[in-house]
Amino acid sequence: DAKTTQPPSMDCAEGRAANLPCNHSTISGNEYVYWYRQIHSQGPQYIIHGLKNNETNEMASLIITEDRKSSTLILPHATLRDTAVYYCIVAPTGNQFYFGTGTSLTVIP
Amino acid sequence: GAVVSQHPSWVICKSGTSVKIECRSLDFQATTMFWYRQFPKQSLMLMATSNEGSKATYEQGVEKDKFLINHASLTLSTLTVTSAHPEDSSFYICSASPLAGTQYFGPGTRLLVL
Repeated sequence: DAKTTQPPSMDCAEGRAANLPCNHSTISGNEYVYWYRQIHSQGPQYIIHGLKNNETNEMASLIITEDRKSSTLILPHATLRDTAVYYCIVAPTGNQFYFGTGTSLTVIP
Repeated sequence: GAVVSQHPSWVICKSGTSVKIECRSLDFQATTMFWYRQFPKQSLMLMATSNEGSKATYEQGVEKDKFLINHASLTLSTLTVTSAHPEDSSFYICSASPLAGTQYFGPGTRLLVL
């Protein structure tokens, strides 16, 4: 079963930062936080992952709280192409992923 | 890098026939491959985990005799839906993971059973 809780939907204005929260209060010490997104009728796309430190790449930033019980994915300048369902998953590296319901992000012009 | 392909991208078949879906990691060796199923407006559901050269591990409720998985090489896994029925119509997605790495997903295969 999924170990994460995300809001079902969010809106964000184009050009603004999109902050997507995820709760994972039962995360274990060896479990990473992974973020993926799925655009309609496509396979999920990897965004970013981290263990306990904040991470940043060309797509997004990942902020993990010190107690690791929650995290936030930040898309710094949302575009219309960022409209998708975003999934937060916690799992040990290389292990099975159990997807929750994700957050449907709509970027509004 | 980290590209995963699936073939076919969509397939329509008659009830009672078998359908094979291929999943390939194009630029890395995949120690482990995973198969998921996704129904409309739902999330991805893990079906099985396969490691190269060994039998697949199926999730609870997934019939191993109906969904045959073969992982014969480090770049190829196949899912065969045997004796397909309309309720098997779904979006099937594979992912591949290099050793101790994250998962990279294929584009998915849409199956319609008439």
